[in-house]
Amino acid sequence: KQEVTQIPAALSVPEGENLVLNCSFTDSAIYNLQWFRQDPGKGLTSLLLIQSSQREQTSGRLNASLDKSSGRSTLYIAASQPGDSATYLCAVNTGNQFYFGTGTSLTVIP
Amino acid sequence: GAGVSQTPSNKVTEKGKYVELRCDPISGHTALYWYRQSLGQGPEFLIYFQGTGAADDSGLPNDRFFAVRPEGSVSTLKIQRTERGDSAVYLCASSPRVTGELFFGEGSRLTVL
Repeated sequence: KQEVTQIPAALSVPEGENLVLNCSFTDSAIYNLQWFRQDPGKGLTSLLLIQSSQREQTSGRLNASLDKSSGRSTLYIAASQPGDSATYLCAVNTGNQFYFGTGTSLTVIP
Repeated sequence: GAGVSQTPSNKVTEKGKYVELRCDPISGHTALYWYRQSLGQGPEFLIYFQGTGAADDSGLPNDRFFAVRPEGSVSTLKIQRTERGDSAVYLCASSPRVTGELFFGEGSRLTVL
């Protein structure tokens, strides 16, 4: 069974800092990997989708990479802002379902 | 609609009652997923529909849980004889295809007293 791990569980950084969130998964047979953001009491908002054939995707200050063979993905956030404070979740798609990690709770301090 | 819509947003019920949660996916999305999320945890898979049929229902915890999608659009998650342990946020998501991007609704928060 696919297992997804996210490290660290929580992260606190001063505004303006660049940061990296990590996601690892145990089975490399995936269709794609997706990063989400979740604000308290809200649903999940899609940030980036990386297909299994891709190495990275960029959207604004966000860059996500995928190394399928080693079972790892990173989400890089440049020049962090207080509005980036949220929980970030990664999910791997095996075809029938997406497996989620437990998330990284990010706090950006003004 | 523009996004995935879930109703009700909040449901409080008593132990033993029957509950229905509704999901209206993005128009044209053939794949529909139900997840359950407890506080501090990632979403836990319940069931996946491709069109009208349940392609994978391996995440349903027991036979009190059932979901339908009769016309390949709106889906209803049905929970019989609710238990306090069923309390959670139930999330619905849809995708245009199995390899496509997943879009979530805001969730239905179920509280069983």
